[in-house]
Amino acid sequence: AQTVTQSQPEMSVQEAETVTLSCTYDTSESDYYLFWYKQPPSRQMILVIRQEAYKQQNATENRFSVNFQKAAKSFSLKISDSQLGDAAMYFCAYRRRYNFNKFYFGSGTKLNVKP
Amino acid sequence: DAGVTQSPTHLIKTRGQQVTLRCSPKSGHDTVSWYQQALGQGPQFIFQYYEEEERQRGNFPDRFSGHQFPNYSSELNVNALLLGDSALYLCASSWTGTLYNEQFFGPGTRLTVL
Repeated sequence: AQTVTQSQPEMSVQEAETVTLSCTYDTSESDYYLFWYKQPPSRQMILVIRQEAYKQQNATENRFSVNFQKAAKSFSLKISDSQLGDAAMYFCAYRRRYNFNKFYFGSGTKLNVKP
Repeated sequence: DAGVTQSPTHLIKTRGQQVTLRCSPKSGHDTVSWYQQALGQGPQFIFQYYEEEERQRGNFPDRFSGHQFPNYSSELNVNALLLGDSALYLCASSWTGTLYNEQFFGPGTRLTVL
């Protein structure tokens, strides 16, 4: 069974600083996707970044980047130049490559951004 | 494009009652999935609907059922409500026409069971 673990229930970062959120997962599959979703107080899940397991290059989206370690089954999110609007719950998620809609989510990390 | 919409926003029910939640997918999407997000937890997959049929199901009892209509909208029904059913229910939609299809989430329905 696939499981996703986020060991940091809450983190804080100073505005303009960098923060890294951790995620580990367990799977016997070799072909899958990993995601980071942001859930602000408005509750709407927003895709931050995704990583295809077959790609060795780490994904990057503007201030957001990941460190994907396939052998270690680790998938961390780095947020650079943190902004007040980054404050939210962040969820790590996994899905098998061809199982389009069944996502497995971690328990989330609450990110606080201090002005 | 309104994105994924859900109704109602909030709902209060008592134990034993039945509830129906509704979801309209993003324009052009044909697949709808439902998730339950308990307070302080990540979403858990309930089931997925495609071509008006349940295609996949998570570890949820038969009290949870659904339906997809020809216009791709969907309903989630929960019978014999328990206190533990209190949660945020998220609907997500996607289109199966591409190899990678991003899943878009709605804002959710907050269900409180008293």
